[in-house]
Amino acid sequence: EDQVTQSPEALRLQEGESSSLNCSYTVSGLRGLFWYRQDPGKGPEFLFTLYSAGEEKEKERLKATLTKKESFLHITAPKPEDSATYLCAVHADFQGAQKLVFGQGTRLTINP
Amino acid sequence: DAGVIQSPRHEVTEMGQEVTLRCKPISGHDYLFWYRQTMMRGLELLIYFNNNVPIDDSGMPEDRFSAKMPNASFSTLKIQPSEPRDSAVYFCASSPVPSSYNSPLHFGNGTRLTVT
Repeated sequence: EDQVTQSPEALRLQEGESSSLNCSYTVSGLRGLFWYRQDPGKGPEFLFTLYSAGEEKEKERLKATLTKKESFLHITAPKPEDSATYLCAVHADFQGAQKLVFGQGTRLTINP
Repeated sequence: DAGVIQSPRHEVTEMGQEVTLRCKPISGHDYLFWYRQTMMRGLELLIYFNNNVPIDDSGMPEDRFSAKMPNASFSTLKIQPSEPRDSAVYFCASSPVPSSYNSPLHFGNGTRLTVT
């Protein structure tokens, strides 16, 4: 079954403690993978788009990477303001139709 | 630009009542999307429009849900009659030409709907 899975569901880190979030997908014909950040009470905010395996994008303390089966969002020396839910979304052919499917998200908490 | 504007921010209603959610997309964005977010199912696409025309409504859960886009700057999502299981946060998003999916979506801040 085509699907998008994010792990872990929740992650609690100390300020400065680097880690990675995972987005794995089982689809055919990947057209793009997106990372969004969502703060409580707000809509998702776009971070990155990745299109092909091996591609990497960086923004401040965040770096997104893509392989043929998964994407990682690496967070280096995070700060409390990086606390949010991080969503990945996959644009691909799902059961014969082009769709954009979101994962369930990883809730990240950075303790000072 | 003010971004995507949704109203109301919160809506509490009783089962059986009609609910109308409103959205103003970013000016110049030709694609408009309605999503629903719940803890159980995450973000789900309900319907999207291109140039005010509905393109894919396969995510609309039932006939109780309807969406319109009478012009480029306004869309509504209506639920009639509402049921408790419709309780969720409803997001509107827009994106620019030329692609509906390979351009980032710009989301509003959502309408939190509670049906009692």
